[in-house]
Amino acid sequence: DTGVSQNPRHKITKRGQNVTFRCDPISEHNRLYWYRQTLGQGPEFLTYFQNEAQLEKSRLLSDRFSAERPKGSFSTLEIQRTEQGDSAIYLCASSLGAREGYEQYFGPGTRLTVT
Amino acid sequence: LAKTTQPISMDSYEGQEVNITCSHNNIATNDYITWYQQFPSQGPRFIIQGYKTKVTNEVASLFIPADRKSSTLSLPRVSLSDTAVYYCLVGGSGAGSYQLTFGKGTKLSVIP
Repeated sequence: DTGVSQNPRHKITKRGQNVTFRCDPISEHNRLYWYRQTLGQGPEFLTYFQNEAQLEKSRLLSDRFSAERPKGSFSTLEIQRTEQGDSAIYLCASSLGAREGYEQYFGPGTRLTVT
Repeated sequence: LAKTTQPISMDSYEGQEVNITCSHNNIATNDYITWYQQFPSQGPRFIIQGYKTKVTNEVASLFIPADRKSSTLSLPRVSLSDTAVYYCLVGGSGAGSYQLTFGKGTKLSVIP
């Protein structure tokens, strides 16, 4: 299967701990996105990479959040000093290029629970 | 990004055609209209995208009137497996990140 994969699928952590999630996009896709989704809401944009460059960040992405995409392949999203409000599903998506920008392929998400 | 308005929920019986209408009164000239589907515990899945008139693929049809201030997603002969949340999004096709702005979507429940 060559879809978008995310690991881990579930993460339970205690408040104040750091967590890191990984996303492996579809191999030929140069654009990668992170979104966050809470219960009953649609996904909210967090950040965007084109190849290895992080080109856009949402105001939702506080200083405790950092994302990387070394070599333009997989990406990681780290949350430092987690808070209960960080509990959500973190979704990764990738897309091919400008013309297909709105056809994004989503992974299954990582469900984070902060206790 | 243009704001969209769509019904919060809809019910339909199996085998019926379902039409979900989305309003986007302030759609810009370059904006495309895109629909996504999301099942529980899964990420959203692209269904269809259009700019004007009608677009059809193997899954759905998208009807867009001339003024483009609304659009209708049509699902033919729905089955129980079509129970999901459907999101309508509008956005431009120019240079940019193509970040998707989701609303709350329409929760479609298909009844046997």
